[in-house]
Amino acid sequence: RKEVEQDPGPFNVPEGATVAFNCTYSNSASQSFFWYRQDCRKEPKLLMSVYSSGNEDGRFTAQLNRASQYISLLIRDSKLSDSATYLCVVMFGTASKLTFGTGTRLQVTL
Amino acid sequence: NAGVTQTPKFRVLKTGQSMTLLCAQDMNHEYMYWYRQDPGMGLRLIHYSVGEGTTAKGEVPDGYNVSRLKKQNFLLGLESAAPSQTSVYFCASSRTGGNSPLHFGNGTRLTVT
Repeated sequence: RKEVEQDPGPFNVPEGATVAFNCTYSNSASQSFFWYRQDCRKEPKLLMSVYSSGNEDGRFTAQLNRASQYISLLIRDSKLSDSATYLCVVMFGTASKLTFGTGTRLQVTL
Repeated sequence: NAGVTQTPKFRVLKTGQSMTLLCAQDMNHEYMYWYRQDPGMGLRLIHYSVGEGTTAKGEVPDGYNVSRLKKQNFLLGLESAAPSQTSVYFCASSRTGGNSPLHFGNGTRLTVT
């Protein structure tokens, strides 16, 4: 089983739709969780950290479910500019123990 | 404020050739990392550094060497390139090794023929 698993997609959604991605992780002792965004042929950029109580940043909501070992990302009112690959990142210990998922591709269309 | 700068952006090598990738950051970050990204795989850590003069192996260190003689620079060397090292290489830095976000460079696309 992979340490971090994501559905590769692509998720094709119309503008204005709500879309959600899940990411499962295998190490129950994982401590920190993040979502990064990566545009085609560009570098990853931090989208948001994921806190135990869940957190929101504008149209984006992240949730953590430790019991079932998954994190989720919800995007409301999708924009064309949200089209990208979303990487789930899990940390156990120090930053040298960051594990990246392979990413979920989102395509928002008119 | 340039952030993290990688050079070169593209390179084609023949098997057996050597090269060095340079990463420079101007944010006074302690931690620096080299990752490779291959299709269908997540970013994998090659080597990292927790401060000037220190280096450590990551998940896939074989065939690579690194040096961090100055805090702002982290060099990745390939002594004898192999086709399996064809990849996109990303350098990143972070203020600390805990929850500090990673700041990535633009990447280097390396092809080994």
